[in-house]
Amino acid sequence: QVQLVQSGAEVKKPGASVKVSCKVSGYTLTELSMHWVRQAPGKGLEWMGGFDPEDGETIYAQKFQGRVTMTEDTSTDTAYMELSSLRSEDTAVYYCSLFGVVINWGQGTLVTVSS
Amino acid sequence: QLVLTQSPSASASLGASVKLTCTLSSGHSSYAIAWHQQQPEKGPRYLMKLNSDGSHSKGDGIPDRFSGSSSGAERYLTISSLQSEDEADYYCQTWGTGIYVVFGGGTKLTVL
Repeated sequence: QVQLVQSGAEVKKPGASVKVSCKVSGYTLTELSMHWVRQAPGKGLEWMGGFDPEDGETIYAQKFQGRVTMTEDTSTDTAYMELSSLRSEDTAVYYCSLFGVVINWGQGTLVTVSS
Repeated sequence: QLVLTQSPSASASLGASVKLTCTLSSGHSSYAIAWHQQQPEKGPRYLMKLNSDGSHSKGDGIPDRFSGSSSGAERYLTISSLQSEDEADYYCQTWGTGIYVVFGGGTKLTVL
C-alpha cells in the first residue's frame, strides 16, 4: 500500500518562497502520477498541477503557471512543490496526492503567509 | 468545459441512508470520477473510483456501507446505516485532458 508523508508546517513572509516535500513509500515514484492540491481555510480543493509518468511532463494549472515548480527526486522517492512570490491568499494546506492507477493523499502541510 | 457540480449541503438521520450527487457537465457524461471524504480537521480520504456504467472500485478499508452508482451524467455516492463519523465534506473529482484534475465544490453532509 502506498503511503505519502509530507514535511512540516511552514510560516513565510509575503514575497518569499516555500518548498514542501512528499516522501513516497510502498511504490516507486516513477510508477506514480504525483499531483499537488491545496485547500485554503474554509474552502474547497484546488488542483495545482501534476506529473504525467507516460510522457515525463509536468502540467500546471493555469492559475499557478510561472509561480509553481514541481520536481521529483527518484533516488529518494520524494516529490517537491515550490511556490514562489507568496501572498496572504496562498495561506492553505497543501497536499501531495496520487490520481493515477493508485489514488491516495498525503497528510497535508499547512503553509501560513503572514508579515 | 469540464465541470463537476455538487449540492453544497445534505443531511440525513443517524442510521438512515443518504445519496449524494455529482453531475458532469454537458458532453462529459462518459467520464469516470472518484469520491473523496474529508472529515472535520482532517485531510481528504479516497473512497472509490466510479465508472459511467456504475462499476466501482473502493479504496483500502472503505466499509461496505459506501457504494457508488451512475446514471447518464450523474454520479452517486450512497452511504447506508449512517454513523456520526460519516459527517464530513464529500468531494467528487475527475480527470480532464491528459492528467488535468477537476474537483467539484464539495457537499457538506450533516448527520442528524
